[in-house]
Amino acid sequence: GENVEQHPSTLSVQEGDSAVIKCTYSDSASNYFPWYKQELGKRPQLIIDIRSNVGEKKDQRIAVTLNKTAKHFSLHITETQPEDSAVYFCAAHGSSNTGKLIFGQGTTLQVKP
Amino acid sequence: DAGVIQSPRHEVTEMGQEVTLRCKPISGHDYLFWYRQTMMRGLELLIYFNNNVPIDDSGMPEDRFSAKMPNASFSTLKIQPSEPRDSAVYFCASSLWKSTGNTIYFGEGSWLTVV
Repeated sequence: GENVEQHPSTLSVQEGDSAVIKCTYSDSASNYFPWYKQELGKRPQLIIDIRSNVGEKKDQRIAVTLNKTAKHFSLHITETQPEDSAVYFCAAHGSSNTGKLIFGQGTTLQVKP
Repeated sequence: DAGVIQSPRHEVTEMGQEVTLRCKPISGHDYLFWYRQTMMRGLELLIYFNNNVPIDDSGMPEDRFSAKMPNASFSTLKIQPSEPRDSAVYFCASSLWKSTGNTIYFGEGSWLTVV
């Protein structure tokens, strides 16, 4: 069935360094790949997304890349700050026209001051 | 818009009791999702609706769980009888279908503790 694998499960970086989180998906029909950030005790919130007709998208310090051939996509955070510390989830749209998102297992990012 | 609204925010109940969680999706959205989040299992999709019709309930753990969506602005997730292993955060989420991709918006969650 549809599956999204996310790595690493935990990531610790020094403030100012970059962080990269990677995901792979199984359904070649997936065409939409959002990333959510969940702070402790809060709801997951969309931070950036990418669609299959685009290879890269950037928004200030965050960027996402997509490789449809290899079926993987990544989140890049540059110049990390302590407030970036959170759990990050990648997701992929399920089989065409189902409307559901399949989430990865999450990455706990810790940015040390 | 007020976003997805869930109630109760927190509930502590005794094993064997019935629990009802409620959700009001964002107005105009045609998809509604119920997710469960635990440390061990992450974010699990329990069930989702499209235009008030259940589409996929394969994530519902067992017969003790049921969900309804009587109209476009209200859904419930019921657990009867509840067990300690049901303790989790239950998120309701909604979205508006687009062929380019569904952006899902989450409610603040219902934190359930079964003792």
